[in-house]
Amino acid sequence: QKEVEQNSGPLSVPEGAIASLNCTYSDRGSQSFFWYRQYSGKSPELIMSIYSNGDKEDGRFTAQLNKASQYVSLLIRDSQPSDSATYLCAVHGGATNKLIFGTGTLLAVQP
Amino acid sequence: EAGVAQSPRYKIIEKRQSVAFWCNPISGHATLYWYQQILGQGPKLLIQFQNNGVVDDSQLPKDRFSAERLKGVDSTLKIQPAKLEDSAVYLCASSLVIRGYEQYFGPGTRLTVT
Repeated sequence: QKEVEQNSGPLSVPEGAIASLNCTYSDRGSQSFFWYRQYSGKSPELIMSIYSNGDKEDGRFTAQLNKASQYVSLLIRDSQPSDSATYLCAVHGGATNKLIFGTGTLLAVQP
Repeated sequence: EAGVAQSPRYKIIEKRQSVAFWCNPISGHATLYWYQQILGQGPKLLIQFQNNGVVDDSQLPKDRFSAERLKGVDSTLKIQPAKLEDSAVYLCASSLVIRGYEQYFGPGTRLTVT
C-alpha cells in the first residue's frame, strides 16, 4: 500500500464547476496535511494546510480532513481554466516524521 | 519576503560527470530540505537539515550524492558521478520549524543526464 494515494486523473471539469480532489494515507499517526499546486514545468506551491478534523476554507478552496477514515480532500469552487494543474497531497508526521507526497492528480478545467 | 532561491535552473551533463546545485532558503527558516522529483511522481525527500545539522538523510544515495549546509543558511547538493537515472528536478524547500510546518519550495533545478 502506498503511503499517500491519489487518483492520477486527469480530472476534467467545466469552468465554474466544483472540482473535488481526494487523497488517502496509510500512517494513522500523521498529524499535518497539505495540498500543493504544481503547474507544468514549475515547482510545487503550497495552497492549503489542515491539521485537525473538519473543513478549512480559504477563498475558493476548502480542505477537508477525516483522520478516522485517513482521508483528505480539496474542493475548488467556481473552477477556472487557470486552476488547471497537478494537485499534490502531502502528509507529515507519524512514523517517518517527513513530508510524504502522493503522485498528484491532474486537473483540467475546460472553458 | 524573498522566496527560496536555487541555481542553476537547468543543467545538462553526461553520465559519470559531476554537478552541484545551490539553494538559499527563505530568511529565518532554520529547516532546509532537498527533494528529487522524477517526471510523473511526487517529490521525494533526499536530505533534511536543521540549521547546519543533518536530521534525515536516509534516502540520500550516499555513494554518489552529498550535501552540506555550512553556517546554517545556504546549502549545496552534489552528485558525483551522475547516472542516467539521476535525471530529475531537484527541489529545495525551507520551513520555520521541523515538525509538520508548511514547506515552501524554490523553482528547482532540472537536471538532464545524457
